[in-house]
Amino acid sequence: QVQLQESGPGLVKPSETLSLTCTVSGGSITGYYWSWVRQPPGKGLEWIGNIYYRGRTEYNPSLKGRVTMSVDTSKEQLSLKLRSMTAADTAVYYCARGGSKYGFDSFDYWGQGSLVTVSP
Amino acid sequence: QSVLTQPPSASGTPGQRVTISCSGSNSNIGINFVFWYQQLPGAAPKVVLQRNNQRPSGVPDRFSGSKSGTSASLAISGLRSEDEATYHCAAWDDSLKGWVFGGGTQLTVL
Repeated sequence: QVQLQESGPGLVKPSETLSLTCTVSGGSITGYYWSWVRQPPGKGLEWIGNIYYRGRTEYNPSLKGRVTMSVDTSKEQLSLKLRSMTAADTAVYYCARGGSKYGFDSFDYWGQGSLVTVSP
Repeated sequence: QSVLTQPPSASGTPGQRVTISCSGSNSNIGINFVFWYQQLPGAAPKVVLQRNNQRPSGVPDRFSGSKSGTSASLAISGLRSEDEATYHCAAWDDSLKGWVFGGGTQLTVL
């Protein structure tokens, strides 16, 4: 059974950079797309972007170039960096398997989510 | 403001059939697959329908989906208390070049 586990700081100061890691176990990163999705408290889901296991990325244009995703297949880990954080970025951040470009596959496995609060 | 439009809430009694709608446009639902996710309180989303109407393994056949034009719907028949959750629709948007979601529909089993 594939399992995903997000890790990172629960609190980030305004203007700082958020760094999150997603560790994949029970399966391999190889061969799949991987996505980051976030959910502000009490609100809907927002796609942040995806990364193919070979490193190709697609980002949500609304995040205006603040996002960088990377993959380390040797460690079975994904990483997310989101720069210039503001209170509007406060959310639960999920990593998920799938979500390829053009929408052919679902997000079929999800991490439990990591709550990130932006506050001074 | 979400790109896909869902009603914020829906309700039904045990055994009833409930339908949740998801409205989009020609750049998303009109030309791409629709996916539905169930999110129990405090939990991560779980896919219950993929590619408009396909159930992943383990999802009961009480869940069904349909799509027509730029709208899609999720139907749950024989409603059960464990179906009480928030349901999100999603699709790829060719204009925005990314995945878009609905705002979520909170389903209450009365």
